[in-house]
Amino acid sequence: GAGVSQSPSNKVTEKGKDVELRCDPISGHTALYWYRQSLGQGLEFLIYFQGNSAPDKSGLPSDRFSAERTGGSVSTLTIQRTQQEDSAVYLCASSLEVRQGRNEAFFGQGTRLTVV
Amino acid sequence: LAKTTQPISMDSYEGQEVNITCSHNNIATNDYITWYQQFPSQGPRFIIQGYKTKVTNEVASLFIPADRKSSTLSLPRVSLSDTAVYYCLVSGAGSYQLTFGKGTKLSVIP
Repeated sequence: GAGVSQSPSNKVTEKGKDVELRCDPISGHTALYWYRQSLGQGLEFLIYFQGNSAPDKSGLPSDRFSAERTGGSVSTLTIQRTQQEDSAVYLCASSLEVRQGRNEAFFGQGTRLTVV
Repeated sequence: LAKTTQPISMDSYEGQEVNITCSHNNIATNDYITWYQQFPSQGPRFIIQGYKTKVTNEVASLFIPADRKSSTLSLPRVSLSDTAVYYCLVSGAGSYQLTFGKGTKLSVIP
């Protein structure tokens, strides 16, 4: 596609339910990021995938959060047993392989998650 | 990762030039400076990136002094549609980390 695509655009779920958020990166981009943005706040790094390397999961806030990237393309962020504090916009970004600090990331529109 | 500091908010009238300065005192030799723009309900969008001196594209200019401890994003003749949050990032060679601070909320007034 022309850009990073995320689905769903909005998700309302009940506390305690599991949710899956999907990200389709730009074709050919080997790097993929997930971020979280709470209302009025900056972006919080969650996880990073680069090619076939082990992902950097250092930003995941708890073991209820997990992500995978199948075939080096589509990624799914899963939140188990959702809590109200998980309510936020979840943003996905992709980029070509980072070299020499030059890195232009392309972001999707995000998934707005509301836990009620 | 070099920490960045930028004003929380700025106001400007339409048609004026806006300069947003970012401090990054502990920038490393191989670090690049990148600016992103974020409109409400959208993901951030890359604006411009530079290493030293001046970089200009169709959207903005980026001025980086010789010591590289700060950088200034310049938006010429802003319009209402430039109202957004602007983020300054510093990233190093081989580093994929994109660390976003709170950014600068620019409000353009008619």
